[in-house]
Amino acid sequence: NAGVTQTPKFQVLKTGQSMTLQCAQDMNHNSMYWYRQDPGMGLRLIYYSASEGTTDKGEVPNGYNVSRLNKREFSLRLESAAPSQTSVYFCASTLTVGSNYGYTFGSGTRLTVV
Amino acid sequence: DQQVKQNSPSLSVQEGRISILNCDYTNSMFDYFLWYKKYPAEGPTFLISISSIKDKNEDGRFTVFLNKSAKHLSLHIVPSQPGDSAVYFCAASTGNQFYFGTGTSLTVIP
Repeated sequence: NAGVTQTPKFQVLKTGQSMTLQCAQDMNHNSMYWYRQDPGMGLRLIYYSASEGTTDKGEVPNGYNVSRLNKREFSLRLESAAPSQTSVYFCASTLTVGSNYGYTFGSGTRLTVV
Repeated sequence: DQQVKQNSPSLSVQEGRISILNCDYTNSMFDYFLWYKKYPAEGPTFLISISSIKDKNEDGRFTVFLNKSAKHLSLHIVPSQPGDSAVYFCAASTGNQFYFGTGTSLTVIP
């Protein structure tokens, strides 16, 4: 099925551990995004990639790094996980930045940092 | 500071009645607005959108209204069905990215 695929779906980390969240889309979209969803906070943008080879910070980039590996894949890395990074992470893609067609979201990664 | 606000965390409506979900925004530069629907353990899915040059957009049972002077948009669902029970997010864009509200959990009671 066409769409956005995120792995893993669930993860528990200890404080200080590192991990990479993977995201891939097969819709030939140019722009990709990482959001986090926290209770009472809605969806907040962490980083985005307007096109292959570019990345930019969003609202809440601290503690994260990203890599746009190719047009299909956009990964999010936590170098030293903290309990404040416990959240549900969503990857999304759209045809181009500024597109008014909205995003296609993945099903999310639920991360717990203990 | 939250630029897009949904002040009602939850809403319950009887099946067949109208559901009205509200959203307020602060940035007058927003030029496009969307509503997303989210079921548990799934990602949000696009529902309906409206450009700032319009004040109404309709798609089947879903209608979005935009009041630019009040910086307010609303989503009307008529008639409401049990399958509409979900969390609804509004989002607004200046072009580079969308800013999301905190969501309203809608429960449609059979």
